[in-house]
Amino acid sequence: NAGVTQTPKFQVLKTGQSMTLQCAQDMNHEYMSWYRQDPGMGLRLIHYSVGAGITDQGEVPNGYNVSRSTTEDFPLRLLSAAPSQTSVYFCASSPTSTNEQFFGPGTRLTVL
Amino acid sequence: AQSVSQHNHHVILSEAASLELGCNYSYGGTVNLFWYVQYPGQHLQLLLKYFSGDPLVKGIKGFEAEFIKSKFSFNLRKPSVQWSDTAEYFCAVRPFRGGYNKLIFGAGTRLAVHP
Repeated sequence: NAGVTQTPKFQVLKTGQSMTLQCAQDMNHEYMSWYRQDPGMGLRLIHYSVGAGITDQGEVPNGYNVSRSTTEDFPLRLLSAAPSQTSVYFCASSPTSTNEQFFGPGTRLTVL
Repeated sequence: AQSVSQHNHHVILSEAASLELGCNYSYGGTVNLFWYVQYPGQHLQLLLKYFSGDPLVKGIKGFEAEFIKSKFSFNLRKPSVQWSDTAEYFCAVRPFRGGYNKLIFGAGTRLAVHP
């Protein structure tokens, strides 16, 4: 199993550009989440999904969209990038809502 | 609002020293508790977790944590640290509220272990 994979590993954007961060898992997990990690703030939940076709907002959803058309994939879209979205983004998955979460390697995003 | 506090933002130790990292949370109901570790340049990995039962939990690499319900605490300990323990450590709490049970993370503690 590859576990949770994320692409790209690094990305630099200009303000106003859009892009999609990819996340995939091959463990048949129902639950998937996106977090952003900022210095001194830990990880904050952006969006999550409890299964294909079902998504919901987390703590800091503004400026991000998600969709879940398959169990495996959970892409995160930045509609119009802003410098405040400079961060490290982690995708995570878990088999149920109460199990531990398995994290991907992260995407480091810089918005100029 | 629910929160998780990690008291030490940076800790510097010499090899073989003992480690204790504090974690307190603000939620009065049932919780699951986790400690994750992030080694330099890597993703988060689970160190240990507490769901129920014995409040003293043993994890990987010699780490343990004690859940003290009355103090809303879940401190991480290791009797003798190694240089390879240099990493950032995150405490996380999952309050049970029905539906999707979200993880709430602390701000993290950066540990540097000197040889």
